[in-house]
Amino acid sequence: DSGVTQTPKHLITATGQRVTLRCSPRSGDLSVYWYQQSLDQGLQFLIQYYNGEERAKGNILERFSAQQFPDLHSELNLSSLELGDSALYFCASSVHLRRGGRETQYFGPGTRLLVL
Amino acid sequence: AQKITQTQPGMFVQEKEAVTLDCTYDTSDPSYGLFWYKQPSSGEMIFLIYQGSYDQQNATEGRYSLNFQKARKSANLVISASQLGDSAMYFCAMSRYNQGGKLIFGQGTELSVKP
Repeated sequence: DSGVTQTPKHLITATGQRVTLRCSPRSGDLSVYWYQQSLDQGLQFLIQYYNGEERAKGNILERFSAQQFPDLHSELNLSSLELGDSALYFCASSVHLRRGGRETQYFGPGTRLLVL
Repeated sequence: AQKITQTQPGMFVQEKEAVTLDCTYDTSDPSYGLFWYKQPSSGEMIFLIYQGSYDQQNATEGRYSLNFQKARKSANLVISASQLGDSAMYFCAMSRYNQGGKLIFGQGTELSVKP
């Protein structure tokens, strides 16, 4: 158990719909990362938050958005869903030490999204 | 641009033998970290081992060791005394310290341990 929790574990929805994925980081971790894992694209970084602020953006579609709340949990919102959005979505967290420090990311169990 | 290459899509190893999973990386940044993660069939991502670009010695964590050859830009994972529970996908990943720690992953190697 990494200490990172994600809900729900599985999500089945229809094209055009909107869903929200939730992540709670490990206790004490200030940084949250979202990744998408699909068969064709592999594991891709989507977005990072640190202590409530967006820090880095990767290959995140405009239909997707995220935020980190004052209690440090994070939500990833996926809207106007398409079949190709079906994937395993991971949240990871790290302490986020000063620059140059070790930054091991611990992953949650993932949310498996199926868009029909 | 940074890139991680894992050239072995699948590998087999006999139980109790050692196995090496290959990983090469490409970056012009002098400060970076290299990671290996294990993904069993259940789907979770499990952190195995880390190597910093300035670390002089190869990292070791139990049965896992990282063969870090900086000049060749390779960071191979060595698993000693393979166990049946080692059967999984293994991902090599890299982060650049000045980019907030986001990970760039390779395509993975599927390891199967034979009894």
